[in-house]
Amino acid sequence: EIVLTQSPGTLSLSPGERATLSCRASQSIGRYISWYQQKPGQAPRLLFSDASSRATGIPDRFRGSGSGTDFVLTVTRLEPEDFAVYFCQQYANSPRTFGQGTKVEIQ
Amino acid sequence: QVQLVQSGAEVKEPGASVKVSCKTSGYTFSSYSIHWVRQAPGQRLEWMGRVNAGNGDTRYSQNFQGRVTITRDTSASTDYMEVSSLRSEDTAVYYCARSQSGSYMDVWGKGTTVTVSS
Repeated sequence: EIVLTQSPGTLSLSPGERATLSCRASQSIGRYISWYQQKPGQAPRLLFSDASSRATGIPDRFRGSGSGTDFVLTVTRLEPEDFAVYFCQQYANSPRTFGQGTKVEIQ
Repeated sequence: QVQLVQSGAEVKEPGASVKVSCKTSGYTFSSYSIHWVRQAPGQRLEWMGRVNAGNGDTRYSQNFQGRVTITRDTSASTDYMEVSSLRSEDTAVYYCARSQSGSYMDVWGKGTTVTVSS
């Protein structure tokens, strides 16, 4: 199965700063990756599909990029509501697999 | 709007079974697959299986083959996931999520906490 490795595990930043999150696949998955935001007690929220297609209602300070094995989620200027856990998921192959998540916390 | 509403938290003893429901609304039920994903404490999300849109075919992760059954009640727009022979390692939050066939999961339920303890 395809293993997704996210880095860093935790990102400590201040509001207004830029966040760069990485997701690396153990083999090429084209652009079949999605990104999600999750806050405690809430359902995961889709941010991006197909690596860079922003979901409905997602602010343009969020950007997704990459292809093949290396993918990046960028938040250009962190807002207070952006502090959360972010995870990636591949849907190129079965079984679907997930990254272990990156927690973006307030410094 | 699209909603996936899951059943409430469960506490089960080892060896028992648990059945979690996922009631959908706001879209054409037969046009989307439903996946089941779980997250044990401190672990990453783990895909368990899915029921296909339209024909209702099921597919399971090898990690759960034989212990997990996913069923669909089209008349109620509801899917179910049952785990049998529960053990403590099955303590987790269980999510349902929809996708179009072969595609990404776009809407998720809020999760159902299942605790396995004697």
